[in-house]
Amino acid sequence: EAAVTQSPRNKVTVTGGNVTLSCRQTNSHNYMYWYRQDTGHGLRLIHYSYGAGNLQIGDVPDGYKATRTTQEDFFLLLELASPSQTSLYFCASSDSTGGSSYEQYFGPGTRLTVL
Amino acid sequence: GQQVQQSPASLVLQEGENAELQCNFSSTATQLQWFYQSPGGSLVSLLSNPSGTKHTGRLTSTTVTKERRSSLHISSSQTTDSGTYLCAIHPSLLSGSFNKLTFGAGTRLAVCP
Repeated sequence: EAAVTQSPRNKVTVTGGNVTLSCRQTNSHNYMYWYRQDTGHGLRLIHYSYGAGNLQIGDVPDGYKATRTTQEDFFLLLELASPSQTSLYFCASSDSTGGSSYEQYFGPGTRLTVL
Repeated sequence: GQQVQQSPASLVLQEGENAELQCNFSSTATQLQWFYQSPGGSLVSLLSNPSGTKHTGRLTSTTVTKERRSSLHISSSQTTDSGTYLCAIHPSLLSGSFNKLTFGAGTRLAVCP
């Protein structure tokens, strides 16, 4: 089964602070994703990538940058954190090569609080 | 864009009862996944079922692609089944965004002892 890990698991920062959320997957999946989950909105896609060096904009990208440094590692950057970015963040990965099922596998989540 | 509707929004059962959760989606889907989210927030993939019927343990999913609906049946519910069940779909391979999952709002299940 796919293994996706995230760090940190919990983070508290202040308004205007700099935050980096990390994600690593160990199954050589080509796609990786960042989602946020908020009450009343469900899970929403922030950014995604189909390989090292690639970045695609998701549905709620404002205030976020992302970088895919390797096949395994995908980072989400909040350079000027705001209270509206307080949320539960999930990373996921999937394989879109021929014959795959396109299933997405999720990490355990990072709970971010911006004071 | 793609819409995913789940019903009921919440459900309360006595332990041992069965649950039937529904998912309806607005356009063709290549893949459909059911997830369980624990009260603590962790997200676990339960089943991947783009069409037909699939079983795993006490779970049965039936997806009727032409009617754009899927159901998740939980038999003999247990208190540990309490949590939120999410349905998510991948759009058709023919669309430009087939790798983007769209989630429903979920069904919150509470199983009482």
